Amino acid sequence: AQSVTQPDIHITVSEGASLELRCNYSYGATPYLFWYVQSPGQGLQLLLKYFSGDTLVQGIKGFEAEFKRSQSSFNLRKPSVHWSDAAEYFCAVGSVEYGNKLVFGAGTILRVKS
Amino acid sequence: DGGITQSPKYLFRKEGQNVTLSCEQNLNHDAMYWYRQDPGQGLRLIYYSQIVNDFQKGDIAEGYSVSREKKESFPLTVTSAQKNPTAFYLCASTPRGGSDEQFFGPGTRLTVL
Repeated sequence: AQSVTQPDIHITVSEGASLELRCNYSYGATPYLFWYVQSPGQGLQLLLKYFSGDTLVQGIKGFEAEFKRSQSSFNLRKPSVHWSDAAEYFCAVGSVEYGNKLVFGAGTILRVKS
Repeated sequence: DGGITQSPKYLFRKEGQNVTLSCEQNLNHDAMYWYRQDPGQGLRLIYYSQIVNDFQKGDIAEGYSVSREKKESFPLTVTSAQKNPTAFYLCASTPRGGSDEQFFGPGTRLTVL
């Protein structure tokens, strides 16, 4: 069965520090990969997506992610975190073989300390 | 502005009552989805629909029902058979229903009293 793992439930970083959120997936075929962000009590907003091509993907708000097939990973990074980045982040995976559905990770809550 | 609307924002219901959550989109998207979100569990798929008058069960469909009579509307009914309905419910849509980016509504928080 397809699955997505976000190993870190909570992460705390200092404002201005770099950030990396981990995402590992288990799929039998070429995946489509997404990172979403959610503020408390709100819907999800897409940060970036990977379908094919360049494995380093740039997104909104200064985020980027790198697809590593050999490690089944799609980690999200940001070189300098701002206080407004505090939110919950979700990794999601889909594939043609899995039909028209996405599987979401459990989420990582990011706290930013000043 | 195009987007997805969900209403109401907050909903309270007594045990044993059915309740319907609204989801409307004016993006002209073909596919629509309902998710349930609980703390620490991410999003779990309840039902999805790729075309009008057709829908499929997701991973946790028991105790829920849906309809898709119009392209822009995909209401979710939480029935009394759902044993633990208190949760945050999110509606989403995609243009064609493939593994595309999903656009999300603002959510409805349902609390059973």
